[in-house]
Amino acid sequence: AQSVTQLGSHVSVSEGALVLLRCNYSSSVPPYLFWYVQYPNQGLQLLLKYTTGATLVKGINGFEAEFKKSETSFHLTKPSAHMSDAAEYFCAVRASGGYNKLIFGAGTRLAVHP
Amino acid sequence: DGGITQSPKYLFRKEGQNVTLSCEQNLNHDAMYWYRQDPGQGLRLIYYSQIVNDFQKGDIAEGYSVSREKKESFPLTVTSAQKNPTAFYLCASIRTGNPNTEAFFGQGTRLTVV
Repeated sequence: AQSVTQLGSHVSVSEGALVLLRCNYSSSVPPYLFWYVQYPNQGLQLLLKYTTGATLVKGINGFEAEFKKSETSFHLTKPSAHMSDAAEYFCAVRASGGYNKLIFGAGTRLAVHP
Repeated sequence: DGGITQSPKYLFRKEGQNVTLSCEQNLNHDAMYWYRQDPGQGLRLIYYSQIVNDFQKGDIAEGYSVSREKKESFPLTVTSAQKNPTAFYLCASIRTGNPNTEAFFGQGTRLTVV
């Protein structure tokens, strides 16, 4: 069965600093991995996804993530944080077995301070 | 524009009352999902449906019921049997048949017991 672990429920960075949000997955089959962002009292918006092919995936708002099979990781990064990046971020893996479900991590709340 | 519409945005329920949350999509997606979100717990799957007139329980289905009479609609009823219904509820849909497609989310309904 697939699962997702996000290390760090809260991350705080200074404006302009590197953002690194960690995600490790467990999957017995090649995974399909996703990062979503959620602003307060809103739904989730897709940042980026990894399916097959290039292991470095670029998404919206300057975010990118690298799929590392050997480390079972899919960490999200952004070179320079902006105040508008403050939100909650969720890593997800697509379940196998034809159920079309997404399994989510617990989320990481990113705070950006001046 | 295609998307998912949840209504209402805010809902208040009295003790012992059933309430129904609406979810409508015009994306022509076969699969639809209901998630519950509580602080620090990520998204937990309540029910999902992969086709009209069929649905399955997720991880926390007790106290909830759903129907899927139309492809576009997947309403969730929170019954009086749900002892702690105060939460943020998110509806999502996925296009099936291609495992690398992402889920699309509605804007959520915040349910509060008064």
